Amino acid sequence: DTEVTQTPKHLVMGMTNKKSLKCEQHMGHRAMYWYKQKAKKPPELMFVYSYEKLSINESVPSRFSPECPNSSLLNLHLHALQPEDSALYLCASGLRGTGELFFGEGSRLTVL
Amino acid sequence: AQSVTQPDIHITVSEGASLELRCNYSYGATPYLFWYVQSPGQGLQLLLKYFSGDTLVQGIKGFEAEFKRSQSSFNLRKPSVHWSDAAEYFCAVGSFGIKAAGNKLTFGGGTRVLVKP
Repeated sequence: DTEVTQTPKHLVMGMTNKKSLKCEQHMGHRAMYWYKQKAKKPPELMFVYSYEKLSINESVPSRFSPECPNSSLLNLHLHALQPEDSALYLCASGLRGTGELFFGEGSRLTVL
Repeated sequence: AQSVTQPDIHITVSEGASLELRCNYSYGATPYLFWYVQSPGQGLQLLLKYFSGDTLVQGIKGFEAEFKRSQSSFNLRKPSVHWSDAAEYFCAVGSFGIKAAGNKLTFGGGTRVLVKP
């Protein structure tokens, strides 16, 4: 069983909508991540939060806005997305220094 | 910059046969190496990891991997494949030690394993 919980599992939104993806972990990890995965491709890093501060932004468009309200929660706010943003969005958490990441099952996003 | 190459996009294997998935990495220091498995529509599950020490690493579900520094490889093996092993397998290398940053994994392109009855 995964210890990283992502909601919703599926999301369909129009290009003018505003929605959010949520991620929660209770393993005490202080690093949390958003990855984007297109079909038949490996996950691509979007953002890294370390101790609730944004530490890595991989040149992601501003229509994706991450937020880390506390050490257990990670949000990804979505606004004015494009159809090409349709993908599986994976959240992960990890202990700094070990390299091991624990992934959620993902939120599958479809932009119409 | 770190990178990971998985030369085989697809592998088909008969149930009960052995499986080997290749992974080559490029990294400037001692790498932290991982193998993850992903079933369709699911997240990634860690199979095994290598940080240091014994170069033969045992993982879950009967998988093992061998780190070979001289070949920059970290190949995954399983002696006898089960139908439930059909999935996408990703090799990854981690970079750490970045001040104030979290761990950063770079994934290979993945290898899709099909299991024939």
